[in-house]
Amino acid sequence: NAGVTQTPKFQVLKTGQSMTLQCAQDMNHEYMSWYRQDPGMGLRLIHYSVGAGITDQGEVPNGYNVSRSTTEDFPLRLLSAAPSQTSVYFCASSYGASGSQETQYFGPGTRLLVL
Amino acid sequence: GIQVEQSPPDLILQEGANSTLRCNFSDSVNNLQWFHQNPWGQLINLFYIPSGTKQNGRLSATTVATERYSLLYISSSQTTDSGVYFCAVMNYGGSQGNLIFGKGTKLSVKP
Repeated sequence: NAGVTQTPKFQVLKTGQSMTLQCAQDMNHEYMSWYRQDPGMGLRLIHYSVGAGITDQGEVPNGYNVSRSTTEDFPLRLLSAAPSQTSVYFCASSYGASGSQETQYFGPGTRLLVL
Repeated sequence: GIQVEQSPPDLILQEGANSTLRCNFSDSVNNLQWFHQNPWGQLINLFYIPSGTKQNGRLSATTVATERYSLLYISSSQTTDSGVYFCAVMNYGGSQGNLIFGKGTKLSVKP
Protein backbone atom coordinates (compact mmCIF):
# COMPACT_ATOMS: atom_id res chain seq x y z
CA ASN A 1 0.00 0.00 0.00
CA ALA A 2 1.17 3.52 -0.80
CA GLY A 3 -0.81 4.83 2.19
CA VAL A 4 -1.85 8.49 1.96
CA THR A 5 -0.36 10.38 -0.97
CA GLN A 6 -0.44 14.11 -1.68
CA THR A 7 0.44 16.17 -4.73
CA PRO A 8 2.08 18.53 -5.33
CA LYS A 9 4.83 18.54 -2.69
CA PHE A 10 5.40 22.26 -3.11
CA GLN A 11 3.48 25.04 -4.85
CA VAL A 12 3.87 28.79 -5.28
CA LEU A 13 0.77 30.82 -6.12
CA LYS A 14 0.02 34.46 -6.70
CA THR A 15 -2.75 36.13 -4.74
CA GLY A 16 -6.10 35.45 -6.39
CA GLN A 17 -5.07 32.28 -8.20
CA SER A 18 -6.94 29.05 -7.64
CA MET A 19 -5.58 25.54 -7.32
CA THR A 20 -6.42 22.04 -6.14
CA LEU A 21 -4.38 20.02 -3.68
CA GLN A 22 -4.73 16.32 -4.35
CA CYS A 23 -5.04 13.61 -1.71
CA ALA A 24 -5.50 9.90 -2.28
CA GLN A 25 -5.44 6.80 -0.08
CA ASP A 26 -5.42 3.15 -1.03
CA MET A 27 -6.38 1.68 2.35
CA ASN A 28 -10.17 1.75 1.77
CA HIS A 29 -10.54 4.26 4.60
CA GLU A 30 -13.93 5.87 5.07
CA TYR A 31 -12.73 8.94 6.93
CA MET A 32 -10.52 11.58 5.30
CA SER A 33 -9.59 15.06 6.38
CA TRP A 34 -7.47 18.11 5.61
CA TYR A 35 -5.37 20.01 8.14
CA ARG A 36 -3.14 23.03 7.89
CA GLN A 37 -0.01 23.59 9.94
CA ASP A 38 1.32 27.06 10.59
CA PRO A 39 4.75 27.85 12.10
CA GLY A 40 5.05 27.04 15.79
CA MET A 41 1.59 25.56 15.94
CA GLY A 42 -0.04 22.19 15.80
CA LEU A 43 -2.44 21.21 13.05
CA ARG A 44 -5.94 22.65 12.57
CA LEU A 45 -8.78 20.89 10.78
CA ILE A 46 -10.07 22.49 7.56
CA HIS A 47 -12.63 20.01 6.19
CA TYR A 48 -13.39 16.35 6.64
CA SER A 49 -15.39 13.56 5.04
CA VAL A 50 -16.94 10.46 6.58
CA GLY A 51 -17.52 8.76 3.24
CA ALA A 52 -18.06 9.31 -0.47
CA GLY A 53 -20.51 12.14 -1.05
CA ILE A 54 -20.36 13.42 2.54
CA THR A 55 -18.23 16.39 3.66
CA ASP A 56 -18.31 18.85 6.53
CA GLN A 57 -16.43 21.87 7.83
CA GLY A 58 -13.72 21.81 10.43
CA GLU A 59 -12.20 24.57 12.51
CA VAL A 60 -10.84 26.78 9.70
CA PRO A 61 -12.89 26.16 6.50
CA ASN A 62 -13.03 29.67 5.02
CA GLY A 63 -11.44 29.97 1.59
CA TYR A 64 -11.42 26.22 0.94
CA ASN A 65 -13.78 23.80 -0.81
CA VAL A 66 -13.81 20.01 -0.82
CA SER A 67 -15.70 17.20 -2.48
CA ARG A 68 -15.57 13.41 -2.11
CA SER A 69 -16.77 11.61 -5.23
CA THR A 70 -14.85 8.40 -4.50
CA THR A 71 -13.62 6.65 -1.36
CA GLU A 72 -10.01 7.04 -2.49
CA ASP A 73 -9.77 10.75 -3.32
CA PHE A 74 -10.36 13.92 -1.31
CA PRO A 75 -9.16 17.05 -3.15
CA LEU A 76 -8.89 20.45 -1.45
CA ARG A 77 -9.61 23.51 -3.58
CA LEU A 78 -8.39 27.01 -2.92
CA LEU A 79 -10.83 29.31 -4.66
CA SER A 80 -8.85 32.57 -4.58
CA ALA A 81 -5.52 32.20 -2.82
CA ALA A 82 -4.51 34.71 -0.14
CA PRO A 83 -1.15 35.17 1.64
CA SER A 84 -2.85 33.99 4.86
CA GLN A 85 -3.20 30.58 3.22
CA THR A 86 0.55 30.14 3.11
CA SER A 87 0.96 26.99 5.14
CA VAL A 88 1.74 23.29 5.05
CA TYR A 89 -1.31 21.18 4.25
CA PHE A 90 -1.74 17.62 5.46
CA CYS A 91 -4.30 15.08 4.38
CA ALA A 92 -5.22 12.28 6.80
CA SER A 93 -7.36 9.17 6.74
CA SER A 94 -8.65 6.51 9.10
CA TYR A 95 -10.66 3.33 8.70
CA GLY A 96 -13.69 4.17 10.80
CA ALA A 97 -16.34 6.51 9.44
CA SER A 98 -16.35 8.68 12.53
CA GLY A 99 -12.63 9.28 12.70
CA SER A 100 -12.80 8.82 16.41
CA GLN A 101 -11.35 5.86 18.30
CA GLU A 102 -9.13 5.27 15.29
CA THR A 103 -5.53 5.81 14.37
CA GLN A 104 -5.27 8.58 11.78
CA TYR A 105 -2.60 8.30 9.09
CA PHE A 106 -1.11 11.41 7.54
CA GLY A 107 0.21 12.14 4.07
CA PRO A 108 3.63 13.77 3.47
CA GLY A 109 2.20 17.28 3.21
CA THR A 110 2.03 20.02 0.58
CA ARG A 111 3.96 23.25 1.20
CA LEU A 112 2.04 26.21 -0.24
CA LEU A 113 3.44 29.72 -0.61
CA VAL A 114 1.06 32.50 -1.67
CA LEU A 115 2.75 35.69 -2.81
CA GLY B 1 -13.30 23.64 23.37
CA ILE B 2 -10.81 21.17 24.70
CA GLN B 3 -7.33 22.50 25.44
CA VAL B 4 -4.15 20.50 24.90
CA GLU B 5 -0.92 21.58 26.57
CA GLN B 6 2.42 19.93 25.98
CA SER B 7 5.58 20.28 28.03
CA PRO B 8 8.37 21.04 27.79
CA PRO B 9 8.19 23.13 24.59
CA ASP B 10 11.86 22.46 23.84
CA LEU B 11 14.19 19.70 24.95
CA ILE B 12 17.86 19.14 24.18
CA LEU B 13 19.38 15.75 24.99
CA GLN B 14 22.67 14.02 24.62
CA GLU B 15 22.50 10.79 22.65
CA GLY B 16 21.72 7.90 24.98
CA ALA B 17 19.72 9.94 27.48
CA ASN B 18 16.12 9.23 28.47
CA SER B 19 13.26 11.72 28.38
CA THR B 20 9.61 12.15 29.30
CA LEU B 21 7.20 14.33 27.35
CA ARG B 22 3.90 15.35 28.86
CA CYS B 23 0.47 16.11 27.40
CA ASN B 24 -2.32 17.57 29.53
CA PHE B 25 -5.86 17.89 28.24
CA SER B 26 -8.83 19.72 29.67
CA ASP B 27 -11.72 17.33 29.01
CA SER B 28 -12.55 13.65 28.60
CA VAL B 29 -11.22 12.14 25.39
CA ASN B 30 -12.06 9.12 23.26
CA ASN B 31 -8.99 9.39 21.08
CA LEU B 32 -5.41 10.35 21.92
CA GLN B 33 -2.51 9.96 19.57
CA TRP B 34 1.19 10.78 19.71
CA PHE B 35 2.93 11.82 16.50
CA HIS B 36 6.53 12.46 15.57
CA GLN B 37 7.17 15.10 12.94
CA ASN B 38 10.62 14.50 11.52
CA PRO B 39 12.91 17.29 10.27
CA TRP B 40 11.53 16.74 6.75
CA GLY B 41 8.03 17.52 7.96
CA GLN B 42 6.48 14.09 7.77
CA LEU B 43 4.03 13.13 10.54
CA ILE B 44 4.46 9.62 11.84
CA ASN B 45 1.88 8.07 14.11
CA LEU B 46 3.60 6.66 17.20
CA PHE B 47 0.73 5.56 19.41
CA TYR B 48 -3.03 5.49 19.52
CA ILE B 49 -3.53 5.51 23.28
CA PRO B 50 -6.76 6.96 24.75
CA SER B 51 -5.99 5.04 27.96
CA GLY B 52 -3.49 2.56 29.34
CA THR B 53 0.12 1.85 28.44
CA LYS B 54 1.79 0.79 25.21
CA GLN B 55 5.38 0.12 24.22
CA ASN B 56 7.10 0.04 20.88
CA GLY B 57 10.83 -0.51 21.05
CA ARG B 58 12.51 2.41 22.83
CA LEU B 59 9.26 4.34 22.98
CA SER B 60 6.41 3.88 25.39
CA ALA B 61 3.33 5.88 26.30
CA THR B 62 0.92 6.00 29.19
CA THR B 63 -2.42 7.78 29.32
CA VAL B 64 -4.22 8.30 32.61
CA ALA B 65 -7.61 9.33 31.27
CA THR B 66 -9.15 9.99 34.69
CA GLU B 67 -6.42 12.52 35.45
CA ARG B 68 -6.35 13.92 31.89
CA TYR B 69 -2.72 13.47 30.97
CA SER B 70 -0.50 11.34 28.80
CA LEU B 71 3.24 10.72 28.92
CA LEU B 72 5.59 9.71 26.13
CA TYR B 73 8.84 8.07 27.22
CA ILE B 74 11.89 7.93 24.99
CA SER B 75 14.73 5.75 26.22
CA SER B 76 18.32 5.65 24.97
CA SER B 77 17.63 8.54 22.62
CA GLN B 78 19.22 8.63 19.16
CA THR B 79 19.83 11.53 16.79
CA THR B 80 17.06 10.17 14.57
CA ASP B 81 14.60 10.88 17.41
CA SER B 82 15.01 14.61 16.77
CA GLY B 83 11.96 16.49 15.59
CA VAL B 84 8.68 17.68 17.05
CA TYR B 85 6.41 15.43 19.08
CA PHE B 86 2.71 16.21 18.98
CA CYS B 87 -0.07 15.01 21.19
CA ALA B 88 -3.56 15.14 19.60
CA VAL B 89 -6.91 14.37 21.17
CA MET B 90 -10.54 14.03 20.22
CA ASN B 91 -13.14 14.54 22.89
CA TYR B 92 -16.57 13.12 23.46
CA GLY B 93 -19.15 15.47 22.00
CA GLY B 94 -16.56 17.40 20.04
CA SER B 95 -16.72 18.00 16.31
CA GLN B 96 -16.68 14.65 14.66
CA GLY B 97 -13.24 13.66 13.52
CA ASN B 98 -11.57 16.81 14.75
CA LEU B 99 -8.21 15.95 16.28
CA ILE B 100 -7.08 18.83 18.49
CA PHE B 101 -3.32 19.18 18.46
CA GLY B 102 -1.03 20.57 21.11
CA LYS B 103 1.78 22.91 20.06
CA GLY B 104 4.35 20.17 20.33
CA THR B 105 7.67 19.46 22.05
CA LYS B 106 10.72 20.13 19.92
CA LEU B 107 13.37 17.52 20.69
CA SER B 108 16.99 17.87 19.64
CA VAL B 109 19.29 14.91 20.27
CA LYS B 110 22.99 15.77 20.05
CA PRO B 111 25.62 13.16 19.11
